[in-house]
Amino acid sequence: NAGVMQNPRHLVRRRGQEARLRCSPMKGHSHVYWYRQLPEEGLKFMVYLQKENIIDESGMPKERFSAEFPKEGPSILRIQQVVRGDSAAYFCASSPDQGFLNTEAFFGQGTRLTVV
Amino acid sequence: QKEVEQDPGPLSVPEGAIVSLNCTYSNSAFQYFMWYRQYSRKGPELLMYTYSSGNKEDGRFTAQVDKSSKYISLFIRDSQPSDSATYLCAMSAREGGADGLTFGKGTHLIIQP
Repeated sequence: NAGVMQNPRHLVRRRGQEARLRCSPMKGHSHVYWYRQLPEEGLKFMVYLQKENIIDESGMPKERFSAEFPKEGPSILRIQQVVRGDSAAYFCASSPDQGFLNTEAFFGQGTRLTVV
Repeated sequence: QKEVEQDPGPLSVPEGAIVSLNCTYSNSAFQYFMWYRQYSRKGPELLMYTYSSGNKEDGRFTAQVDKSSKYISLFIRDSQPSDSATYLCAMSAREGGADGLTFGKGTHLIIQP
């Protein structure tokens, strides 16, 4: 059973471009969480999604950021018009149900976004 | 005051020593407490999960929660070089975790051979 797959692992974008980060949850997992880790900072919760639904986006910046988890395919975190401050590691986690705190919730390896 | 405070280190100890890692928090609603280990350039992996106050032991790891002091600890016995990593504490107020987890900044631990 493959783990949580995130791609790309590294992404370089120029200021003003769009960044698309993909997360394929573990097989059988229908709940996805996105976190951002800025340099020298802890992980910050961004958004919690189930298939075709955004459950909690209280951690998402109000502008330029959006997330989706379609019925088919991976979850996508989209950042429009990137700025240097968006440079960070973005982690996705998945779980089989709402219980993120159970031991069956796993993080992916992350996507490291660099904005130049 | 940040919700979760964690000394970033680095904390360097000799192999075989007992390691003590700690976090303090301010939100009295937190009831679920976790410790994650993160190797460089990797995703966090869950080490320990505890609910409310008390101790929990798993092999060389012991997690301790003192809700009255808003203080949690992770002890590592017989530390090994492979334990060298960043250790993140995390906590949540809701059992479902749908409110997301609040993380500390992480403590960078170095075990010297």
